[in-house]
Formats: sequence, C-alpha cells, structure tokens
Amino acid sequence: GQQVMQIPQYQHVQEGEDFTTYCNSSTTLSNIQWYKQRPGGHPVFLIQLVKSGEVKKQKRLTFQFGEAKKNSSLHITATQTTDVGTYFCAGGGSNYKLTFGKGTLLTVNP
Amino acid sequence: DAGVTQSPTHLIKTRGQQVTLRCSPKSGHDTVSWYQQALGQGPQFIFQYYEEEERQRGNFPDRFSGHQFPNYSSELNVNALLLGDSALYLCASSPRVAYGYTFGSGTRLTVV
Repeated sequence: GQQVMQIPQYQHVQEGEDFTTYCNSSTTLSNIQWYKQRPGGHPVFLIQLVKSGEVKKQKRLTFQFGEAKKNSSLHITATQTTDVGTYFCAGGGSNYKLTFGKGTLLTVNP
Repeated sequence: DAGVTQSPTHLIKTRGQQVTLRCSPKSGHDTVSWYQQALGQGPQFIFQYYEEEERQRGNFPDRFSGHQFPNYSSELNVNALLLGDSALYLCASSPRVAYGYTFGSGTRLTVV
C-alpha cells in the first residue's frame, strides 16, 4: 500500500533559523496536504497542493510539490517559538484515503 | 461556526470490553474519516464514511466498525479491546469536494 515518509523525525533550531521538512511517497499522489499539530493538540490543516511543481506560500511558510508528484517539502523562514509542533504531510491517492507521514517534531530555542 | 466535536474526551476501558466514540462533523461537511494516533506517530487511517456508507477502509481488523447517521454524525465502535488499542482517536470531516480535513480534538482511549 501507499507509504508516506518524512524526514527528519526531529529538528531543533534556534529562533530565527530556517527549518525544512521533506516528504516522500511510494506512489504518485493526486494531492498532498500539510498539517500542524501542537503538543497535546490535534492536527490543523495548513495547505493542499495539487499541481505538479506547485509552490505556495503562507507568510513565512513555503510549500512545494515535486514535479513527479511523489515528494513535497515545507520550509519555514526565520522560525519563531510559535512554530513549535509536529508537521505532518499527508498524501492523497486515487482512492479517498489520506495517508499521513510520521511527522517532523520542531522545537525552537528562544 | 462549530468545528468537529468528539465525545468523550477521555475514556478508560478494560481489555475485552467494547467502546463507542462519537463525532459531529463541522457544519457543511458530509464526509467523516476516523484516524488512530499512537503516541509519537502520525494518524493512521481507519475508515471514511460518506452518505452513510463506508467508502474506504484502512488496515484495521473487523473489531473496528463504524456508522454514519443521516445528519452526517458518526460513531466508531471497537470490540474486544486490546491493550494496543490505547491511542488518540481522531475524527476528521471534509466537504464533498475533498479539501483539507478539519480534525476534532480527539478521544484519548486507555485500555488497561
């Protein structure tokens, strides 16, 4: 079945440093979604990418979808303490199932 | 605008017992998906309901079953509980044209 892998598993940065998490799927995706889960919270939808090579920005966050629609990345510029949490990618395939990666836990040292 | 509501928030059950978790989707959403999230892991897809039918199912045993009602709310039932069923159970709703999921706060199930 479809597998979605994320690296790194953990990332600790100093406030103001940049952060990137990468996501790879074993199969071609119809779309990829990104979620953020704060400690003790639930996943919150950030964005969906659908088109090959698509790039979307939300303030300091930049999301990319690979040309082959099998990989994606999330880049945060100049991290802040409010960015702390686990970032998940989730791949949508030809069925209705959304497969989540294991996530990247980001901690930020003020 | 109410988001996704799940009940109960916490639950402690004994091995072998049965449990029912409930979910009310966000207003305007008619598709409900259930996920199991173990500590430190990503959410694992259990199944999805649309128009009161199970549309897609993940790799979970038949002990896990569900239902969707005409008002789009949903239940997740787990029979013959095992210690390994201890997890956060998340309900997510989405509009018919799938976009991002809106997750509820989850039900923390502990099996002892």
